[in-house]
Amino acid sequence: DTGVSQDPRHKITKRGQNVTFRCDPISEHNRLYWYRQTLGQGPEFLTYFQNEAQLEKSRLLSDRFSAERPKGSFSTLEIQRTEQGDSAMYLCASSLHAGGETQYFGPGTRLLVL
Amino acid sequence: GENVEQHPSTLSVQEGDSAVIKCTYSDSASNYFPWYKQELGKRPQLIIDIRSNVGEKKDQRIAVTLNKTAKHFSLHITETQPEDSAVYFCAASGETSYDKVIFGPGTSLSVIP
Repeated sequence: DTGVSQDPRHKITKRGQNVTFRCDPISEHNRLYWYRQTLGQGPEFLTYFQNEAQLEKSRLLSDRFSAERPKGSFSTLEIQRTEQGDSAMYLCASSLHAGGETQYFGPGTRLLVL
Repeated sequence: GENVEQHPSTLSVQEGDSAVIKCTYSDSASNYFPWYKQELGKRPQLIIDIRSNVGEKKDQRIAVTLNKTAKHFSLHITETQPEDSAVYFCAASGETSYDKVIFGPGTSLSVIP
């Protein structure tokens, strides 16, 4: 499968625990995006990378969230001290170049914080 | 920043009828407008997109129109089929190096057989 992949697909955790998600973009895609989607809403932008550089981070993202893309390939999204409000689907997408290019989404990681 | 609104939030049509979903955006610098379809439990998938140098684009039963002056764009689905039932998201972005795609809240389309 040469599409965007994410791991894990589902994660259940207790409030206060840390979680880390991984995204593997389509190879050679320079841009990688993280979104959060809650039920009945559109994907909400969190952050994005151009190669290994994190170019923008949403103001909605608290300092408990951090993302990395150390080698310009896969990316990780970590949530520290999870809260029940963090429960959502976390989607990753990649595109070949800058804005104006099709974003291809991964299957998402569904997080449930108890 | 960019803000994208979408109407209606839910839409029911009889099989074979047409469906129209309308979106507005706030940033006049936006010039790329993709539409995504998301079936229940699945990832969003691009179905059609349009750029600001084009007023209309068609792909089989799907068409998108863009009015840059009014900052409106619309999705038209003709001869709807039950498999068209899904949530549809419009989105907008610019083409400068550091822009991002902003999604609308979605329209849940139900096609009744």
